[in-house]
Amino acid sequence: SAVISQKPSRDICQRGTSLTIQCQVDSQVTMMFWYRQQPGQSLTLIATANQGSEATYESGFVIDKFPISRPNLTFSTLTVSNMSPEDSSIYLCSVEGHWNTEAFFGQGTRLTVV
Amino acid sequence: QKEVEQNSGPLSVPEGAIASLNCTYSDRGSQSFFWYRQYSGKSPELIMFIYSNGDKEDGRFTAQLNKASQYVSLLIRDSQPSDSATYLCAVTGNRDDKIIFGKGTRLHILP
Repeated sequence: SAVISQKPSRDICQRGTSLTIQCQVDSQVTMMFWYRQQPGQSLTLIATANQGSEATYESGFVIDKFPISRPNLTFSTLTVSNMSPEDSSIYLCSVEGHWNTEAFFGQGTRLTVV
Repeated sequence: QKEVEQNSGPLSVPEGAIASLNCTYSDRGSQSFFWYRQYSGKSPELIMFIYSNGDKEDGRFTAQLNKASQYVSLLIRDSQPSDSATYLCAVTGNRDDKIIFGKGTRLHILP
């Protein structure tokens, strides 16, 4: 499986500000995924990031709120914009596995908005 | 809407016993099934995947799939305190389909 490095691991942010989360993979991957896991909830896919094209967002998530960059095949960023306390969550970067079906995750970013 | 259902638990199992975790899914076209383990404050870790009906064994873990009943389970033999975690069931359809996660079952192994 790929080694996925995600940072920051945690942050406490003021409402109205933005935070950019970085995800670095030790090998080239076609697709990278960003998930959110709210307390006591399962993982919800925010968007799929392909290199060289716009990210594909899931229902309920929009680019203005969660802009994503994918400058190359090993790196992606997710920005949480104009944060509110409701954005407090764990954000996870993920890549597909060898069989292109299973997902492997970074360490996650625990975000608290105050 | 595609759904994956799990009992949230907690499921308490004595050390050394068999822990049985269950999952049902709504999309009959689902083809790939995964079990992830998530320790508190950590990210999910893939422990098993299964594609075909029947059983698949890997060490102390056995995944069972019954597509007719839309049911997948995970058995953990000789449960250890280190198995205490939340177990997430995940399902996907075709290769390009997104993975749908259940809410997870909290497992507590009693020493």
